[in-house]
Amino acid sequence: AQSVSQHNHHVILSEAASLELGCNYSYGGTVNLFWYVQYPGQHLQLLLKYFSGDPLVKGIKGFEAEFIKSKFSFNLRKPSVQWSDTAEYFCAVNSRPGGYQKVTFGIGTKLQVIP
Amino acid sequence: EPEVTQTPSHQVTQMGQEVILRCVPISNHLYFYWYRQILGQKVEFLVSFYNNEISEKSEIFDDQFSVERPDGSNFTLKIRSTKLEDSAMYFCASSESGTGGTGELFFGEGSRLTVL
Repeated sequence: AQSVSQHNHHVILSEAASLELGCNYSYGGTVNLFWYVQYPGQHLQLLLKYFSGDPLVKGIKGFEAEFIKSKFSFNLRKPSVQWSDTAEYFCAVNSRPGGYQKVTFGIGTKLQVIP
Repeated sequence: EPEVTQTPSHQVTQMGQEVILRCVPISNHLYFYWYRQILGQKVEFLVSFYNNEISEKSEIFDDQFSVERPDGSNFTLKIRSTKLEDSAMYFCASSESGTGGTGELFFGEGSRLTVL
């Protein structure tokens, strides 16, 4: 069965600090990888995704993530965070057993950016 | 931009009552899902639905839960007899296709269920 681990559950940063959120997954087959963001009081939104090709993917709002297959990792990064990045971030892995989509989420990381 | 819509946004119910949460997936999507998020916990998979039948369900999705696509547009989640522990945010999602799809799930804004 697939699973996703997010190492940091609560991160507090000052504005302009760099961000890296860890994500590891376990699944032996082909996967697609995602980061979703949930701003306070809002629904889940896709931040970025990896399917194939360049393992460094760029998403919205200056976020990027790097897929390292050998480490089963898909860490999220941003060079300089803003107060508006305060949100909860979920790593997710999608596999396709039997042809349909199955997405498994990590527990989430709450990011608090202090002005 | 097409989106997944959910109603109601918030429902308060008494324990033991039946609840139906409604979702309108993106029109050309074929796969439908329900997830839930108990306050402070992670987003959990409940069920996936394709071709008018359940593809997979989690341990959470017991006999109290059912899903239905009663017409060409709505996708509903019914909880037959709610329990306190059913209080959560329920997210509907849809995706374009299976093997040929991109894997991206599009989520609705969620329906908050409070069981008293």
